[in-house]
Amino acid sequence: QKEVEQDPGPLSVPEGAIVSLNCTYSNSAFQYFMWYRQYSRKGPELLMYTYSSGNKEDGRFTAQVDKSSKYISLFIRDSQPSDSATYLCAMSWNSGGYQKVTFGIGTKLQVIP
Amino acid sequence: NAGVTQTPKFQVLKTGQSMTLQCAQDMNHNSMYWYRQDPGMGLRLIYYSASEGTTDKGEVPNGYNVSRLNKREFSLRLESAAPSQTSVYFCASSDVQGATNEKLFFGSGTQLSVL
Repeated sequence: QKEVEQDPGPLSVPEGAIVSLNCTYSNSAFQYFMWYRQYSRKGPELLMYTYSSGNKEDGRFTAQVDKSSKYISLFIRDSQPSDSATYLCAMSWNSGGYQKVTFGIGTKLQVIP
Repeated sequence: NAGVTQTPKFQVLKTGQSMTLQCAQDMNHNSMYWYRQDPGMGLRLIYYSASEGTTDKGEVPNGYNVSRLNKREFSLRLESAAPSQTSVYFCASSDVQGATNEKLFFGSGTQLSVL
């Protein structure tokens, strides 16, 4: 079993739809939860970052963490064609003074105009 | 803002050839990393350098060597390339090693094919 599970998609939605992207994890030591966005042929860029259970909102994006269920989500409201990208969840924990990061395989999202 | 710069962007090698991937960051970050990204596998850490003068193995170090040349530059060397090393390679940097929020900044990647 992988430490982090993420459905690779692809996920196709019409412009304006609400998008829900999800990851589950098995390592209870994970402390920090992140979402990276990766455009085609580009490197990942940090989109959202959260530490505790609950919701964190930034514009059209909301990151949700449920530590009791070991489940994290990213919601995109009013999705735009420019949101078409691969979304990677990432989780980190402190091991021997070093922050170890584990990535999901990414969900490819296409927003159709 | 250049951020993290990787060269080359594309490379084709024959089995057994060697090459060095170059990475430089201009954000004055202490920590630098090399990842590989393969379909269905996600990003996997090859090597990292917590600070200038130190390097450590990551999850998949076999077949690779690294050099932290100075604070800005971190290179990845394939001594004898194998088809299993066909991948997209990403260099990344972060501000403070061991910090409570390890935010990674990535380069644009090097697409490597080993025939």
